[in-house]
Amino acid sequence: QKEVEQDPGPLSVPEGAIVSLNCTYSNSAFQYFMWYRQYSRKGPELLMYTYSSGNKEDGRFTAQVDKSSKYISLFIRDSQPSDSATYLCAMHTGANSKLTFGKGITLSVRP
Amino acid sequence: GAGVSQSPSNKVTEKGKDVELRCDPISGHTALYWYRQSLGQGLEFLIYFQGNSAPDKSGLPSDRFSAERTGGSVSTLTIQRTQQEDSAVYLCASSSGLAGGGTQYFGPGTRLLVL
Repeated sequence: QKEVEQDPGPLSVPEGAIVSLNCTYSNSAFQYFMWYRQYSRKGPELLMYTYSSGNKEDGRFTAQVDKSSKYISLFIRDSQPSDSATYLCAMHTGANSKLTFGKGITLSVRP
Repeated sequence: GAGVSQSPSNKVTEKGKDVELRCDPISGHTALYWYRQSLGQGLEFLIYFQGNSAPDKSGLPSDRFSAERTGGSVSTLTIQRTQQEDSAVYLCASSSGLAGGGTQYFGPGTRLLVL
């Protein structure tokens, strides 16, 4: 079992839809949880960052972490074609620690 | 300000040749990471440098891979005797290394193709 599992997709939704992306993990030492967005032929860019359990909202994006279930989610409201990209969940155990990534899911938002 | 830069953007080499990939981190960032992204494997950690501490080499897949960081800034990842399975995107990231998570910022990557 990999440390971080992410639904492989791909995922295609119509513009305006609510998108739910999820990851599960097995290492209870993970404390910091991130979502990166990666456009084609670009490096990953940090989208959301959460420490420990809870919710965090930034515009149309909401990140949720449930440490008791070892489950994290990213919700995208009112999805736009510009949201079409690969979304990677990532996590680590503390400052100066390597990131462990899910395999990523490719999202396509149809106009 | 300037982000993480990597060179070359693309590299095509023949099996058995050595390659060097370069990373320029964000100015002032003390931590530098190398990752590899390949189809089917996702993003995998290779090596990590923090200040003057010994690097964490636990992710290097074989002894053909090595990296150094000179003067606490620029880093070079070297792959000796390249194999076709080394074909991937090699990504560099840097962070300030501060407590609270140390957000990692990624460069655009070097796309390596071994023929």
